[in-house]
Amino acid sequence: DVKVTQSSRYLVKRTGEKVFLECVQDMDHENMFWYRQDPGLGLRLIYFSYDVKMKEKGDIPEGYSVSREKKERFSLILESASTNQTSMYLCASSSQRGGGGYTFGSGTRLTVV
Amino acid sequence: DQQVKQNSPSLSVQEGRISILNCDYTNSMFDYFLWYKKYPAEGPTFLISISSIKDKNEDGRFTVFLNKSAKHLSLHIVPSQPGDSAVYFCAAAYSGAGSYQLTFGKGTKLSVIP
Repeated sequence: DVKVTQSSRYLVKRTGEKVFLECVQDMDHENMFWYRQDPGLGLRLIYFSYDVKMKEKGDIPEGYSVSREKKERFSLILESASTNQTSMYLCASSSQRGGGGYTFGSGTRLTVV
Repeated sequence: DQQVKQNSPSLSVQEGRISILNCDYTNSMFDYFLWYKKYPAEGPTFLISISSIKDKNEDGRFTVFLNKSAKHLSLHIVPSQPGDSAVYFCAAAYSGAGSYQLTFGKGTKLSVIP
């Protein structure tokens, strides 16, 4: 069963902390994405990557960075967590060969206090 | 500017009746459309898709209709069941772009009332 695995389901962090959200996929997908989901705002793209060591800004990259050192792993970093970054974070992957859509992870519910 | 719009934030339907979820898009380059279903505290899961060369695709209780001239698609669920209660996201893609990227709508929360 193919998977996108996010390391934590729930996280509580303090304001100002550096936060790492990890995502691993086992489908040999080239593309990986980080979204956040907030009520009434839908899925908003933070960053994405089409290859190892490659990254592109999405619609809301401010306050975030990413790392993709290996094809299967895509990390989202909150450099200095703030309360407005409390959200559900979703990782997804897809094949560059096209067809089909994204496979999502189960999400990480981050609360910044 | 939103390229994929789901204008109804929520929808309530009686169990056994039809649920119709609507989605409009503005980018005429989109040629592949998908619906995702999301339960609380879980990631979205793929439900059904349609290519722009078709106007209908059916999978069990779920049917997606595409009207290219109106830039409109809809998801029909018949009959609706309480387990269908979830947020539904419409997504669109331009498959000709080298890197395949989905554009999502904001979602419609469906509540199926027993």
